Amino acid sequence: AQSVAQPEDQVNVAEGNPLTVKCTYSVSGNPYLFWYVQYPNRGLQFLLKYITGDNLVKGSYGFEAEFNKSQTSFHLKKPSALVSDSALYFCAVRNGNSWGKFQFGAGTQVVVTP
Amino acid sequence: NAGVTQTPKFQVLKTGQSMTLQCAQDMNHEYMSWYRQDPGMGLRLIHYSVGAGITDQGEVPNGYNVSRSTTEDFPLRLLSAAPSQTSVYFCASSSSYMNTEAFFGQGTRLTVV
Repeated sequence: AQSVAQPEDQVNVAEGNPLTVKCTYSVSGNPYLFWYVQYPNRGLQFLLKYITGDNLVKGSYGFEAEFNKSQTSFHLKKPSALVSDSALYFCAVRNGNSWGKFQFGAGTQVVVTP
Repeated sequence: NAGVTQTPKFQVLKTGQSMTLQCAQDMNHEYMSWYRQDPGMGLRLIHYSVGAGITDQGEVPNGYNVSRSTTEDFPLRLLSAAPSQTSVYFCASSSSYMNTEAFFGQGTRLTVV
């Protein structure tokens, strides 16, 4: 079985400060890891993914994520947060051992204050 | 390119009524799925399909039915609506290749009274 944990329900950060949203996963076989963002009353938008190769993945809107195999983590980061980054963030994992199903974490609400 | 289209955007049902949430994608994706989103619970998989004619249950399938007669469409049927089915429903599609992301519709906000 595969699972995803996002240990923080909410992350508060001041504008201009670094932002980190944590994600850990459990999966048998090779993990394919994804981050999505959801703005109020909208669907989920894809940010970035880790498939293989470089452990630091760059994505949309200045976000990046670091894959750490030994810690089974895939934390989302942004060097300088903007107020417009305030949203709900979801981590997800997918692998071929479960018919390609996506398993999502519970989500982390990011609040960026001016 | 429309992507994933869900209808309706909002719906209010009375307990016991039935309805169908529509989902269509124009990306020729094999994999389609339905999720419900409830506060603090993330996205929970209701049903999914790996191709036309093939469907399977997710983690919360009770009270819902699906079929997939074409690659493009994956409707979700509520057989007899209950207040516990009040939620936001998302349809998603993706290629069957494991390294590809899912594309989501804009969601349907359903209230059962």
